[in-house]
Amino acid sequence: GAGVSQSPSNKVTEKGKDVELRCDPISGHTALYWYRQSLGQGLEFLIYFQGNSAPDKSGLPSDRFSAERTGGSVSTLTIQRTQQEDSAVYLCATRFGGPSYGYTFGSGTRLTVV
Amino acid sequence: QQQVKQSPQSLIVQKGGISIINCAYENTAFDYFPWYQQFPGKGPALLIAIRPDVSEKKEGRFTISFNKSAKQFSLHIMDSQPGDSATYFCAASRPGGGADGLTFGKGTHLIIQP
Repeated sequence: GAGVSQSPSNKVTEKGKDVELRCDPISGHTALYWYRQSLGQGLEFLIYFQGNSAPDKSGLPSDRFSAERTGGSVSTLTIQRTQQEDSAVYLCATRFGGPSYGYTFGSGTRLTVV
Repeated sequence: QQQVKQSPQSLIVQKGGISIINCAYENTAFDYFPWYQQFPGKGPALLIAIRPDVSEKKEGRFTISFNKSAKQFSLHIMDSQPGDSATYFCAASRPGGGADGLTFGKGTHLIIQP
């Protein structure tokens, strides 16, 4: 696709439920990032995928968070037993280019835990 | 340790004025300095970016000034318009990507008053 696509755009869930957020990256972009943006805050790194290598999960805030990337393309971020503090916008970004690299963001999924 | 410090946190400018947002970084390995513009409900969109081999880059009304020795860079919006009202994030990236490939400032909420 022409851009990074995220779905759903909005998700309201009850506390304790599991949610899955999806990211469809730009074809050919091998590096994929998940960030979390809490209301009025900056972007917090969550997890990084590079090609078929093992992901760097160093930013995941708890073991309730996990992510996978199938076939080096689509990525899914899963939050188990959601808590109210998980309410945020979850953003996916891909990195393109070699020496002249850059990043492209999706529009994000706004998660509200009630 | 916050690697990119952004100021001010919020800014109000009259229409037609110049908006200036500043960022300072610590890691001398950074080699890519983008600015992102974010409207409510949208993901960050790349506005303009600079690499450390130049001291200034201009695209339309937007200019990045870069001071490598001071480890500072700034965004100038000339002839600011109400449509420029948004949150602006500076960021810094190092070659090779990686989990901390892109480090963000905390954002500046810009309001352009008509």
